[in-house]
Amino acid sequence: AQTVTQSQPEMSVQEAETVTLSCTYDTSESNYYLFWYKQPPSRQMILVIRQEAYKQQNATENRFSVNFQKAAKSFSLKISDSQLGDTAMYFCAFPSGNTPLVFGKGTRLSVIA
Amino acid sequence: DAGVTQSPTHLIKTRGQHVTLRCSPISGHKSVSWYQQVLGQGPQFIFQYYEKEERGRGNFPDRFSARQFPNYSSELNVNALLLGDSALYLCASSFALDYLTDTQYFGPGTRLTVL
Repeated sequence: AQTVTQSQPEMSVQEAETVTLSCTYDTSESNYYLFWYKQPPSRQMILVIRQEAYKQQNATENRFSVNFQKAAKSFSLKISDSQLGDTAMYFCAFPSGNTPLVFGKGTRLSVIA
Repeated sequence: DAGVTQSPTHLIKTRGQHVTLRCSPISGHKSVSWYQQVLGQGPQFIFQYYEKEERGRGNFPDRFSARQFPNYSSELNVNALLLGDSALYLCASSFALDYLTDTQYFGPGTRLTVL
C-alpha cells in the first residue's frame, strides 16, 4: 500500500524563526504531485504548497518552501519567519492508485510568541 | 470566487439514523471527493465523483453512498449510523483531468456527532 509518513507528531517554533516539517512517502509512480495542507483550529484544510515530481526545482510560495528529494522519496516543508497564524496541523499528501489523496497523520505546529 | 461550500456545519444524530451531507464545488470544477477525518488523524478517502460518475471508492462499508448532480454538487449519505461514524466530513473539488496531477481544494467540513 502507498503510504505517507510524518515522523514528528508535534513541533514548536519561536515567532520569526524557521522550522522544517518532515515527510516521506512510498509510490511506484514516476509523475505525480505532492502537497502540503494546513488545517488550523477552524478545521478548513488549506493548500499550502504543491510540488510537481518531474520538476527538479523545489517549489516556493512566499515563506513556505519544500525540499524535494525524489530518489529518497522525501518531501519536507520549510516555514521561514514563522508567524502566530502558522499555528495549525500540517498534512503531507499525495495521490495513489484510485485515491486522489493519501494523507499522513499530520504534524501539530505551535508558533510561540 | 466562492470556494467549496458544505452544509450543514454541524450535525447531531443518534445511532441507527440516516444522514445526508451536501457539497458545492468551486465553479468550473467537475469533480467532488469526500473524506472522513476522525479526531487526531489525517483524512481518509471515501468517494470521488467526476461528471456524475463514481471514479473511486475508499475502504468504507456500503452504508456510505454518494451521488453527483448535473450542476456538479454532491451528496454523501450514511445509513444506520454508528458511534464510530462521528467525524469531520470534508468535501474537496478539482478539475480531475488526471489523478496524479490533480489539485484538490477543500470545503470547511461538516462535523457529525453520533450519540
